[in-house]
Amino acid sequence: QVQLQESGPGLVKPSETLSLSCTVSGGSIRSYYWSWIRQPPGKGLEWIGYIYYSGNTYYNPSLKSRVTISVDTSKNQFSLKMSSVTAADTAVYYCTRDESLWYFDLWGRGTLVTVSS
Amino acid sequence: DIVMTQSPDSLAVSLGERATITCKSSQSVLYNSNNKNYLAWYQQKPGQPPKLLIYWASTRESGVPDRFSGSGSGTDFTLTISSLQAEDVAVYYCQQYYNTPRTFGQGTKVEIK
Repeated sequence: QVQLQESGPGLVKPSETLSLSCTVSGGSIRSYYWSWIRQPPGKGLEWIGYIYYSGNTYYNPSLKSRVTISVDTSKNQFSLKMSSVTAADTAVYYCTRDESLWYFDLWGRGTLVTVSS
Repeated sequence: DIVMTQSPDSLAVSLGERATITCKSSQSVLYNSNNKNYLAWYQQKPGQPPKLLIYWASTRESGVPDRFSGSGSGTDFTLTISSLQAEDVAVYYCQQYYNTPRTFGQGTKVEIK
C-alpha cells in the first residue's frame, strides 16, 4: 500500500531555512494532491499548503510568504521549504495525501524539527 | 478562516460506555448544491500521526470500526464512540474542508475512567 516518509534535518537554526522531503512509496505521486501539516509539541494541527503532481500549489496565507512546496515526479517526492524560521516553527511536520483538497487520508509518521541555535 | 471549536477538551469514559465529542464551526460547512457537510474526524494515538476516521461528517473510512459514528450538519457536529475500548484512547480532531485554509479543532483527549 502507499506509504509516506518524511526526511530532513531535525535541527534548524533561527532565521535559516527548514527543508524537508516526503517520499511516496507503493504508489505514484501522479494524479493526487499532497499536503504538509505541522503540529507544535503538545498542540493542534496546522495545514501548511498543498501541491498537485503537476506543480500547482496553494499555501496557508498565514505562512505564504515563507513557504515553498515543490514536486519531483521522477523521484516520487515532494518537498517543503520554510524560510526565516523561529522557535515558533518547532513542530512535528507531516506529509499527507490530500484527497481532492478535502480531507487527508494518508499520513507520514512525521518528523520533529526543532528551531534552536 | 473558519474556526473549529471542540468540546470538551478532555473526557474520561468507562470501558464499554459511550463517548461523545462535539465540534462547532464558526460558519456553516454545509455546501447547499450537493447537501454535503465538508467535515472530517481524525484519531491521533500517542506518538502516532493522525488517522482519518470519518469524512463528509458521517462516512466511515474503510477499516474503521462501526462503534465510531459521526453526525450533525451546518455548524454543529458530533463524533460518538458507542462502546469505548482501551485502544480508543487518543486525541480526536475535527477538520473542515469547506474553505481554504482548511482548519482543525483544538482536539479532544479521550481517556479511560
